[in-house]
Amino acid sequence: DGGITQSPKYLFRKEGQNVTLSCEQNLNHDAMYWYRQDPGQGLRLIYYSQIVNDFQKGDIAEGYSVSREKKESFPLTVTSAQKNPTAFYLCASSIGGPSTDTQYFGPGTRLTVL
Amino acid sequence: AQSVTQLDSQVPVFEEAPVELRCNYSSSVSVYLFWYVQYPNQGLQLLLKYLSGSTLVKGINGFEAEFNKSQTSFHLRKPSVHISDTAEYFCAVRRTGSSASKIIFGSGTRLSIRP
Repeated sequence: DGGITQSPKYLFRKEGQNVTLSCEQNLNHDAMYWYRQDPGQGLRLIYYSQIVNDFQKGDIAEGYSVSREKKESFPLTVTSAQKNPTAFYLCASSIGGPSTDTQYFGPGTRLTVL
Repeated sequence: AQSVTQLDSQVPVFEEAPVELRCNYSSSVSVYLFWYVQYPNQGLQLLLKYLSGSTLVKGINGFEAEFNKSQTSFHLRKPSVHISDTAEYFCAVRRTGSSASKIIFGSGTRLSIRP
């Protein structure tokens, strides 16, 4: 079955540590996205990539980094520079280009900083 | 720039009652409109979308929404809700005809169904 997988489902990190969240899709989508979700704030865009080897900052990119070396993978690193990283992180993908561009979401990773 | 406002952060309703979740958007250009649903501790799932044509859009699970350009609204409705509809609902907007694939999400409405 085609879809988006995120791992791990739950992640705990000590302050000062970097941590990488995995996102993989087998939908053959060109575009991929990372969102952060906090209670009562909806989804905020961290980074997005419209094609392999290219990505752009979203609205809250500070303290995060990404790479897009393969079409199916878009890992997100939460660095120690991110002051408040505890949140629910969602990865999404879409066909891309000037289409209707419906986004398909993974199940999410809940990150907790101890 | 586009923005989305979901006027109600929480909506409690009784089972089998009708429900309307309100969404208003702001944009100086044409937009596509979406409603997504999120069940607890899961990702978002597309309920329905308006691209063009008929302003009444039907989606999954018996939901429908009506695009009203003059009022810049895209309210979500269901005539009779079930316990399984308990979830958070997000309205979203995206520019038409743009290769930049950013979608703007509202802050969400939590729908709670009482038996």
